[in-house]
Amino acid sequence: GQSLEQPSEVTAVEGAIVQINCTYQTSGFYGLSWYQQHDGGAPTFLSYNALDGLEETGRFSSFLSRSDSYGYLLLQELQMKDSASYFCAVRDGHSGAGSYQLTFGKGTKLSVIP
Amino acid sequence: EAGVVQSPRYKIIEKKQPVAFWCNPISGHNTLYWYLQNLGQGPELLIRYENEEAVDDSQLPKDRFSAERLKGVDSTLKIQPAELGDSAVYLCASSLSPLASEQFFGPGTRLTVL
Repeated sequence: GQSLEQPSEVTAVEGAIVQINCTYQTSGFYGLSWYQQHDGGAPTFLSYNALDGLEETGRFSSFLSRSDSYGYLLLQELQMKDSASYFCAVRDGHSGAGSYQLTFGKGTKLSVIP
Repeated sequence: EAGVVQSPRYKIIEKKQPVAFWCNPISGHNTLYWYLQNLGQGPELLIRYENEEAVDDSQLPKDRFSAERLKGVDSTLKIQPAELGDSAVYLCASSLSPLASEQFFGPGTRLTVL
C-alpha cells in the first residue's frame, strides 16, 4: 500500500518563506503532486514532479528526490491568502494498466499571520 | 470555461435514507473521479471512469454505494441506505485523460447524516 507523511500544521509570517515536507512509501511511483485547498473549497492543482529536482511556478516551488522518497513545497513571499491546507499526493500506477491513481496525504494546514 | 459542477452543495438526511450526488465535468474531459474527503483528511478515491466505463472502483463500498456515467459526460453517485459514518464531503474531479498530471476538482457536496 501507500503511505504519505506531512506535518499537520505550519504557521508562518506574512512575507516569509515556508517549506512543507512530504515523505512517501509506495510501489510503482510515477510522481508527486501538490494541491491547495481553502476551507470549504475545492482542491486546486499546484505542481507535479516526475523527475528529481526543483520546479518553480511563480511564488511556489516543488522539489522531488526519488531516491529519498521525499519532496517539499516551498512558498515564498507569503500572503494572507496562502492560508489553506496543502496536500501532497503520490501518483502511482499498475504495470500494464496504462493509468494512474492519486493517493493523497492528510494535508498540512498553513496559517499565515501578520 | 466552466469548471467541474456539482450539486447539491449541501445535503442533510437521516440515516437509512437514500441520497444522490451529481457531477458535470469540464467539457472534453474523458476521465471522471469521485472522491470522499473526511474532515482533516485528504481526498480518497472511490471510483474512476474512462468515458462511461468504471475502470477503478476497488474502493467503492458496493453494498451501499453505486455510481453511473451513462453517456460518458455527467455522473451520479448514490448511497442507499446512508449511514452516520457516510457524513463527509464528496468531491468530483475530471481530467483530460488518465495520464494527465492535473485533476480539476469541483466544490464538493457536504453530506450530513443524522
